Amino acid sequence: GESVGLHLPTLSVQEGDNSIINCAYSNSASDYFIWYKQESGKGPQFIIDIRSNMDKRQGQRVTVLLNKTVKHLSLQIAATQPGDSAVYFCAGPLTGGGNKLTFGTGTQLKVEL
Amino acid sequence: DGGITQSPKYLFRKEGQNVTLSCEQNLNHDAMYWYRQDPGQGLRLIYYSQIVNDFQKGDIAEGYSVSREKKESFPLTVTSAQKNPTAFYLCASSIAPFSGTNTGELFFGEGSRLTVL
Repeated sequence: GESVGLHLPTLSVQEGDNSIINCAYSNSASDYFIWYKQESGKGPQFIIDIRSNMDKRQGQRVTVLLNKTVKHLSLQIAATQPGDSAVYFCAGPLTGGGNKLTFGTGTQLKVEL
Repeated sequence: DGGITQSPKYLFRKEGQNVTLSCEQNLNHDAMYWYRQDPGQGLRLIYYSQIVNDFQKGDIAEGYSVSREKKESFPLTVTSAQKNPTAFYLCASSIAPFSGTNTGELFFGEGSRLTVL
């Protein structure tokens, strides 16, 4: 079946370094992808999205790259800060699902001081 | 401030009891969703509603029920038929299905943690 959000479970980085969180997906027809950040005990928060007709999109301290050839996207966080510690999910729509998003297991980002 | 409000934040239930989780939004969003999250796992869709008085089952609807009588409200009932109800429940809403002018961004509430004793 379709899947989005095949992540490595954890990533540890030093404060100030750049973080790269990767995500794989299977449905080549996905129109867009969204990255969410979830802090412990809270609901996910929108970080950035990217449409399938784009390869790259930049936000404040974050960049998302989409490689449709290998069905892979990544979230890059520049100058990682302790407040970036959270679980990060990529999500994408199910085929014909409107706004039904499918999420993976996420990557736990740990920022070491 | 506009947003999604879930209540209660923590809930304890005895086996065999039904419980209802509240979800209210003042974002004027048409679509609302319920997800379940288990430790170390992603979000799984329970039910969703794209318009008032209409809703559809998600991937894990068994043992749950919902209603959508008002645009602002989408309560979830966890019934005694749900075999493993202990989990973190997240409600979300969105403006409309994906179109050329918006992606399918979901706005989430802060969640309700249900524990069955």
